[in-house]
Amino acid sequence: QSVLTQPPSASGTPGQRVIISCSGSISNIETNTVNWYQQLPGMAPKLLIYGDNQGPSGVPDRFSGSKSGTSASLAISGLQSEDEADYYCAAWDDRVSGVLFGGGTKLTVL
Amino acid sequence: EVQLLESGGGLVQPGGSLRLSCAASGFSFSSYGMSWVRQAPGKGLEWVSAMSGGAISTYYADSVEGRFTISRDNSKNTLYLQMNSLRAEDTAVYYCAKEYFQNSLHDAFDMWGQGTMVTVSS
Repeated sequence: QSVLTQPPSASGTPGQRVIISCSGSISNIETNTVNWYQQLPGMAPKLLIYGDNQGPSGVPDRFSGSKSGTSASLAISGLQSEDEADYYCAAWDDRVSGVLFGGGTKLTVL
Repeated sequence: EVQLLESGGGLVQPGGSLRLSCAASGFSFSSYGMSWVRQAPGKGLEWVSAMSGGAISTYYADSVEGRFTISRDNSKNTLYLQMNSLRAEDTAVYYCAKEYFQNSLHDAFDMWGQGTMVTVSS
């Protein structure tokens, strides 16, 4: 059971904006930065957002992150068919001294 | 080009041992913390263990504490994971991952290997 809680699924049509939530606690999301990863089918995860809201070089600015208190969100605007993937939030947890991942959200582009 | 290449996976019986390796290239290996992350078939990501660049600090998930040992040889640019007392629930693809920032263990993973499959079964 993941300590970071994500909805198991999300969906949208091309061009839409989709938001994926990630809920945690004081010892992880509120205290440390949140990172988001995209995992395409059969592939290794890829860093999408780091430091709550920073996009690595090469990641389209359609992807954005935000955080408030013990919750974080990933927003994907201008949804495209190639965005269909699993998305994971992650953060260091001071209580367990380790990285926690959310359970993952499977995004379907209708 | 930054590259991580895992090896050492395979089929092992319950209670057995296996050592995974992750060969790194394209960056100053000793300056970066490294982690192992696993993914059971059809399941989500689970962080397993982390080690600082200078091999001073190590961290483990409760699920592997006392059974797995992370290590690194900075002269060979290689990260290891020694896995003992393996259980069926350790069956997963094991990825090594590089920290985004130098001298950090609490940040993002900006590079992942392709993964190596470990199957624990009799």
